[in-house]
Amino acid sequence: DAGVIQSPRHEVTEMGQEVTLRCKPISGHDYLFWYRQTMMRGLELLIYFNNNVPIDDSGMPEDRFSAKMPNASFSTLKIQPSEPRDSAVYFCASSPAGRGIGTEAFFGQGTRLTVV
Amino acid sequence: AQSVTQLGSHVSVSEGALVLLRCNYSSSVPPYLFWYVQYPNQGLQLLLKYTTGATLVKGINGFEAEFKKSETSFHLTKPSAHMSDAAEYFCAVSDEDTDKLIFGTGTRLQVFP
Repeated sequence: DAGVIQSPRHEVTEMGQEVTLRCKPISGHDYLFWYRQTMMRGLELLIYFNNNVPIDDSGMPEDRFSAKMPNASFSTLKIQPSEPRDSAVYFCASSPAGRGIGTEAFFGQGTRLTVV
Repeated sequence: AQSVTQLGSHVSVSEGALVLLRCNYSSSVPPYLFWYVQYPNQGLQLLLKYTTGATLVKGINGFEAEFKKSETSFHLTKPSAHMSDAAEYFCAVSDEDTDKLIFGTGTRLQVFP
């Protein structure tokens, strides 16, 4: 398997524009996580899915952020409208069914978003 | 709810010296604990994990960690640092109730020649 695949790797956009980040998890993994990493706040969990269903979106900072998982092999994180403070590295990670067996998450390479 | 605390946001060692990165956890149940490494401009990569069984866990690149329940600790060590070990290291705990991975704030390791 090629691992978790994120696209694009880098995105530069102007304030107010819509941004869509994409993720393809590892085949067979039931869990998908979206994280945001900044110098100030470190690694924050934004939202996670189990079997394509959003389980916990309490980390999503504002209504400008939304995430979907239409099928087991694809997820998107959308920011509309984008603001400079959204500049960060966004990671997608996937994990096999983990409850009770402590399986780890596998991370993608991340998308570096810059909003100017 | 589970949480982890990493003591020291930056650690500097000389090449060949012992590496010790500290992690303490908070959990009301036996935790699942992880160490991840992040190299510059890369995603996070699993170094090692503790689930059950042997409390001394060996990982990749010569790293190991010991689960100490009495101290609620899971410190990461490597006997001899190499320049290529320079990276950011994250301790994490798995939240058994929600399946979330809860990360610490990270420790940046610098290795000097």
